[in-house]
Amino acid sequence: DIQMTQSPSSLSASVGDRVTITCRASQDISKYLNWYQQRPGKAPKLLIYDASNLEVGVPSRFSGRRSGTDFTFTISSLQPEDIATYYCQQYDDLPYTFGQGTKLEIK
Amino acid sequence: EVQLVESGGGLVQPGGSLRLSCAASGFTFSDYWMHWVRQAPGKGLVWVSRINNDGSTTTYADSVKGRLTISRDNAKNTLYLQMSSLRAEDTAVYYCVREHMTPGLDSSYYFDSWGQGTLVTVSS
Repeated sequence: DIQMTQSPSSLSASVGDRVTITCRASQDISKYLNWYQQRPGKAPKLLIYDASNLEVGVPSRFSGRRSGTDFTFTISSLQPEDIATYYCQQYDDLPYTFGQGTKLEIK
Repeated sequence: EVQLVESGGGLVQPGGSLRLSCAASGFTFSDYWMHWVRQAPGKGLVWVSRINNDGSTTTYADSVKGRLTISRDNAKNTLYLQMSSLRAEDTAVYYCVREHMTPGLDSSYYFDSWGQGTLVTVSS
């Protein structure tokens, strides 16, 4: 199975801060990585697909990029409604696997 | 509007069985591959199973193979997960998930719609 190592596991930041989360794949997965947001008590929501493509309707403060097997997810200016847990997910091979999640809190 | 509504969760004893259902609406159900993803209390997301659009092909995580069975009824727009020989470690919220595939040579695949989830608790 492809392992997705996500860091950090938790993060505390202030409104307006730039926030970055990293996901590293255990092998080459090309661009086949998606990012999801899960607000407390809710189902996950797709934010970014194929490493860097913003889903329709998702604010432009969210972005993603790929460098080899390292993927970064960035919120350019943190907003209060961004409080959530964020997950990366690879679909290069079955079983699809998720990162462990990053819980984002407001300072 | 796309809607996925799960039902059938509840408390079951170890070794018991349960059938989850997911009623789909707002899209042509038979056009999409569907998945189940689960989340144990306070834990992360884990992919469980998938089924192709006509139900002829299924795939499972090793941890559930032989115990959980995914199926669908396209006439009823419903996805199922038959669960048997349940274990404590199967306790989780189970999400019904639609997979979107973009057309073209280098298709993108992503989970674009999720149900609200149904909780399965395996305990004596």
